[in-house]
Amino acid sequence: AQKITQTQPGMFVQEKEAVTLDCTYDTSDPSYGLFWYKQPSSGEMIFLIYQGSYDQQNATEGRYSLNFQKARKSANLVISASQLGDSAMYFCAMREGPRSGSARQLTFGSGTQLTVLP
Amino acid sequence: DSGVTQTPKHLITATGQRVTLRCSPRSGDLSVYWYQQSLDQGLQFLIQYYNGEERAKGNILERFSAQQFPDLHSELNLSSLELGDSALYFCASSGDRGRSGELFFGEGSRLTVL
Repeated sequence: AQKITQTQPGMFVQEKEAVTLDCTYDTSDPSYGLFWYKQPSSGEMIFLIYQGSYDQQNATEGRYSLNFQKARKSANLVISASQLGDSAMYFCAMREGPRSGSARQLTFGSGTQLTVLP
Repeated sequence: DSGVTQTPKHLITATGQRVTLRCSPRSGDLSVYWYQQSLDQGLQFLIQYYNGEERAKGNILERFSAQQFPDLHSELNLSSLELGDSALYFCASSGDRGRSGELFFGEGSRLTVL
């Protein structure tokens, strides 16, 4: 079974509008972390936001917020006030196990290509 | 700038050849991870080293090997290259600082096998 599922291969949003990128995950580990990364066309991977499984509140980082619904095992990324520079591939990722563990590799979803229209 | 350095940025070689990709982690990070990004497989975890020791293994082929040296830089060796090995290879590092333990990625090494 896929551990991270991103069902939207591509999304379009009008500049200045908000957009939600979907992510669902599957794990039986009670301790895990969820991450979103942005990959522009230049190729680098840029960390955006993190949500721990025990965090009570949804994470926010500037225009990025993570809509964490634990019971549904979803961790959707919300980008507010989209900008042209937000056009990129967005990846959801999960770390299974506590943050303090030594094996901290991330499992990535297939990504969503976001295009912001002027 | 993530602080993770990868060389070379681009590499073109022929089938059957061997290449070495190099990674310098962020200062102070003990963990190094290697990922392969291809169009059909997405981002696949290959292997992790922690302070010189192998700590986790993912979908790494037997033709591939890696190591982490005492100065914490890491190398990924790819041998008997096939066309399907053409991909973007990322190195990432993480440390014990911060709350989330996010991985910091280098810019990647783009390998083209002809």
